[in-house]
Amino acid sequence: AQKVTQAQTEISVVEKEDVTLDCVYETRDTTYYLFWYKQPPSGELVFLIRRNSFDEQNEISGRYSWNFQKSTSSFNFTITASQVVDSAVYFCALSGDNYGQNFVFGPGTRLSVLP
Amino acid sequence: EPEVTQTPSHQVTQMGQEVILRCVPISNHLYFYWYRQILGQKVEFLVSFYNNEISEKSEIFDDQFSVERPDGSNFTLKIRSTKLEDSAMYFCASTLPGTGKTQYFGPGTRLLVL
Repeated sequence: AQKVTQAQTEISVVEKEDVTLDCVYETRDTTYYLFWYKQPPSGELVFLIRRNSFDEQNEISGRYSWNFQKSTSSFNFTITASQVVDSAVYFCALSGDNYGQNFVFGPGTRLSVLP
Repeated sequence: EPEVTQTPSHQVTQMGQEVILRCVPISNHLYFYWYRQILGQKVEFLVSFYNNEISEKSEIFDDQFSVERPDGSNFTLKIRSTKLEDSAMYFCASTLPGTGKTQYFGPGTRLLVL
């Protein structure tokens, strides 16, 4: 069975601090996909990034960066120089290789960026 | 940029009433999904739909739920006899093969059952 764990329930930082959100996953699939979604207070789910299991190259996109470590089954997400607008709930999600399969979401991490 | 749309944005209903939640997936997408999120909790899978039939469903998706693609654009979720515990945000999502399994979510319908 697939499982996603986000051990940090809530994080508070002061604006301009860097913050890392942790995600640990479990799967028996050899091919799988990992995602981060952002849910701002307005409630929608905003896609941030996708990684597949055969691409461990980490990426930086503006203030966002991701660290995918297959050896530790982790897919962590870092925001540098956080801003108040980054305040949201962040969900890590896992999907298998079958399109009919659902996403398994983690419980989410609520990030509060204080001015 | 194409996006998934959902109507209504909010719905209040009495326990035992039927509700239909509507979604218009991105036009060239082929797989469609419904998820729900009880307030303050994680997003849970309900059902996936492809080629006019259910691909997969969760334990939550019991006989009270049904899905339909009545025409070429709409994708609906029907709850036949709502219960208090059906109060949640319901998200529709869609994906297109070849896009790396990314599911694009609609803005959600917040359902309140009284």
